[in-house]
Amino acid sequence: EPEVTQTPSHQVTQMGQEVILRCVPISNHLYFYWYRQILGQKVEFLVSFYNNEISEKSEIFDDQFSVERPDGSNFTLKIRSTKLEDSAMYFCASSEGRLSYEQYFGPGTRLTVT
Amino acid sequence: EDQVTQSPEALRLQEGESSSLNCSYTVSGLRGLFWYRQDPGKGPEFLFTLYSAGEEKEKERLKATLTKKESFLHITAPKPEDSATYLCAVQPPRDAGNMLTFGGGTRLMVKP
Repeated sequence: EPEVTQTPSHQVTQMGQEVILRCVPISNHLYFYWYRQILGQKVEFLVSFYNNEISEKSEIFDDQFSVERPDGSNFTLKIRSTKLEDSAMYFCASSEGRLSYEQYFGPGTRLTVT
Repeated sequence: EDQVTQSPEALRLQEGESSSLNCSYTVSGLRGLFWYRQDPGKGPEFLFTLYSAGEEKEKERLKATLTKKESFLHITAPKPEDSATYLCAVQPPRDAGNMLTFGGGTRLMVKP
């Protein structure tokens, strides 16, 4: 069964460093998303991406964040200068986008900023 | 602003003891309500989408129902492997985007 994959599973970085989180969405899906979940809190929407551009973003997704689809399979989230409060689980999701908008999530990347 | 509230926050059941989880929401023009299961340290696993009041969907021991203000996830004769956090999320009308707004989840523990 097709699934969303994410790498790495755990990333430790120092405050101020740049990180790139990687995702491979389900192959025939057209919409891609990033969400995050701070420990013990709700899953929060960050950004959605369609047709090679951002289609919507939340207030959390400020200038420190960017997304890119560098090739036909990968979807990345970059955080330019990490802060302690960026420590969270980051989930990538994708949806087919024509007949269905159900979002399928990856296993997540745990980002720890020290 | 879309709001999703789940109750209870935590629920302990004995194996075989049926119960229901609640998700109440306020969203203008709901497009879809989603149920997910989340195991510790893992990503949300899709369970159901409900689109209109009165709709019901079933999968094994789980049944999801939807009214105009809330959704219920009924668990019939649960087993220990049903232990997880169950998340509810709403999707706004099509012209407002595809983002999901999640509730805080119900942590279900089923004891053998």
